[in-house]
Amino acid sequence: AQKITQTQPGMFVQEKEAVTLDCTYDTSDPSYGLFWYKQPSSGEMIFLIYQGSYDQQNATEGRYSLNFQKARKSANLVISASQLGDSAMYFCAMREGLQNYGQNFVFGPGTRLSVLP
Amino acid sequence: ETGVTQSPTHLIKTRGQQVTLRCSSQSGHNTVSWYQQALGQGPQFIFQYYREEENGRGNFPPRFSGLQFPNYSSELNVNALELDDSALYLCASKPQDGYNYGYTFGSGTRLTVV
Repeated sequence: AQKITQTQPGMFVQEKEAVTLDCTYDTSDPSYGLFWYKQPSSGEMIFLIYQGSYDQQNATEGRYSLNFQKARKSANLVISASQLGDSAMYFCAMREGLQNYGQNFVFGPGTRLSVLP
Repeated sequence: ETGVTQSPTHLIKTRGQQVTLRCSSQSGHNTVSWYQQALGQGPQFIFQYYREEENGRGNFPPRFSGLQFPNYSSELNVNALELDDSALYLCASKPQDGYNYGYTFGSGTRLTVV
């Protein structure tokens, strides 16, 4: 079964507008972390934002915020004031358990975001 | 500037051959993971090394193997290459005391098997 679902293969947004990228996840572990990564054409995975399952508040990092709805198992990424440089693939990922030993990322299929001038 | 360097950046091999991909991490990064990213998909976990020992493995056959060295470098070896092994291979590393999200990814090696 898919642990991470990203239902939007591609998204378009006008420069300076906000955009929401959807992510739903599935886990029975009460302790987990949710991540968003940006992958430009160069291939490098760039960490954007992290949300722990026990965090009470939604994470924010500059123009990025994570809309965490635990009961719905949803962790949507909101990018405010989009810039042309935001055009890239965006991946939602999860790590189960808060112990690092042997725990790996599970990635979703990604959403390609295109920012229009 | 990324603290994780992968080499080579691109590679073309013939089916049945063997390949070694390399990753050089920042000093102190004693946890390294390798991922396979097929075209148009998200990365898939291959395995993880901690202090030179494998401590986690994904659903990949034994012909995928790895090594981690004391100088914070690591290798991914793939034997008997198949066409489906064509992908971007990413390594990610973090320090021992790094937070859960403290992984730094390299830019990857794009392997093409013909």
